Amino acid sequence: EAQVTQNPRYLITVTGKKLTVTCSQNMNHEYMSWYRQDPGLGLRQIYYSMNVEVTDKGDVPEGYKVSRKEKRNFPLILESPSPNQTSLYFCASSLSRPRQAGNQPQHFGDGTRLSIL
Amino acid sequence: GEDVEQSLFLSVREGDSSVINCTYTDSSSTYLYWYKQEPGAGLQLLTYIFSNMDMKQDQRLTVLLNKKDKHLSLRIADTQTGDSAIYFCAERAGRRALTFGSGTRLQVQP
Repeated sequence: EAQVTQNPRYLITVTGKKLTVTCSQNMNHEYMSWYRQDPGLGLRQIYYSMNVEVTDKGDVPEGYKVSRKEKRNFPLILESPSPNQTSLYFCASSLSRPRQAGNQPQHFGDGTRLSIL
Repeated sequence: GEDVEQSLFLSVREGDSSVINCTYTDSSSTYLYWYKQEPGAGLQLLTYIFSNMDMKQDQRLTVLLNKKDKHLSLRIADTQTGDSAIYFCAERAGRRALTFGSGTRLQVQP
């Protein structure tokens, strides 16, 4: 079954304690991205990756890091989490980068709810 | 910058039609999308429309695009309780990533 898998689904942690949210897709997709969803703001893109070892900032990258060492995995790293990073996070993937495939849908994971105390 | 706006909440009775509206500001948008988010789940692509079209129908879903007014709507015919969810409008232009609206919560009353 084609899917995007995020882990963990829920995490409560404290300020400053490094954490990683993993994302894995089994569709051999080139394009992967991370979004955060906050009430009244919709989804905002944090980082995206067009292929292995190619990553770039989205709209709200501050406080986040990513890596793309393998095609299937795109972890989101919070080196020193702060309470304003409390949010619902979604990973998404699609076959090709947007310019080449605007009509190809992004597949979304089920989300990771992070609470930073 | 780019902006996509939606109303926050819509309530309809089961069996009625629902119309969810969206406005956007980027006149270079090439694709416009509607996503559905059910509680505790990620976003599911419902349908999309290319900017040179003005209407697309897919079973109970009808998308209307008024490019002059930068207005997009999603009509759900014969709305069912299973249609209760948050609906996101999104647009894309060129290489830029998707820009999402803040979502419209659709509540379907039996």
